[in-house]
Amino acid sequence: QVPLVESGGGVVQPGRSLRLSCAASGFTFSHYGMHWVRQVPGKGLEWVAMIGYDGSNRFYADFVRGRFIISRDNSKNTLYLQMNSLRVEDTAIYYCARDPSLRVTLDYCGQGTLVTVSS
Amino acid sequence: QSVLTQPPSVSAAPGQKVTISCSGSSSNIGNNYVSWYQQLPGTAPKLLIYDNDKRPSGIPDRFSGSKSGTSATLDITGLQTGDEADYYCGAWDSTRGVFGGGTKLTVL
Repeated sequence: QVPLVESGGGVVQPGRSLRLSCAASGFTFSHYGMHWVRQVPGKGLEWVAMIGYDGSNRFYADFVRGRFIISRDNSKNTLYLQMNSLRVEDTAIYYCARDPSLRVTLDYCGQGTLVTVSS
Repeated sequence: QSVLTQPPSVSAAPGQKVTISCSGSSSNIGNNYVSWYQQLPGTAPKLLIYDNDKRPSGIPDRFSGSKSGTSATLDITGLQTGDEADYYCGAWDSTRGVFGGGTKLTVL
């Protein structure tokens, strides 16, 4: 059983929206903070956003603040990333990751979902 | 430009030791814990070290971490060809997460 499975990636035009999901299983989802991290193929890791255990605390990278929204549904064991006003430079593999301590201790990352923003 | 600074590449022979550095500032490494990740080609990042110097279960003691001031270090001893990968440091920085640019380890 894979703890985290992302979905929702695909090809989208600049300016459009996309919602990513991350399904969690095999652990108590509400006991973990959750992150989205992205990576342009061949480049380094880039932190995108984090949400606290119950969703009351949310933090964003400057380059997505105001465009992306991180959320979670603990009843469905699912993490989301609503991506609006997408830009070509948002093209990347998006990983969800769990964090037991809310200090960038990503003890498990999903396999990622590819988002391509292109006209 | 990454907030945390790592050397782009390091190399060493099998069996040898390699050190990867990660330099930051008081807003990140200086006042927060550091984590380290290994990313093999085509795979997701894997946690190697957390809270500066702790290893998750299953990580060999060949991997060790330390922190001093605004810098952190990952040491890998007894290098194996399977250690060839990209390595990243990470930390919290005020209101955001940050990573280093990554270091490519080549085992000669």
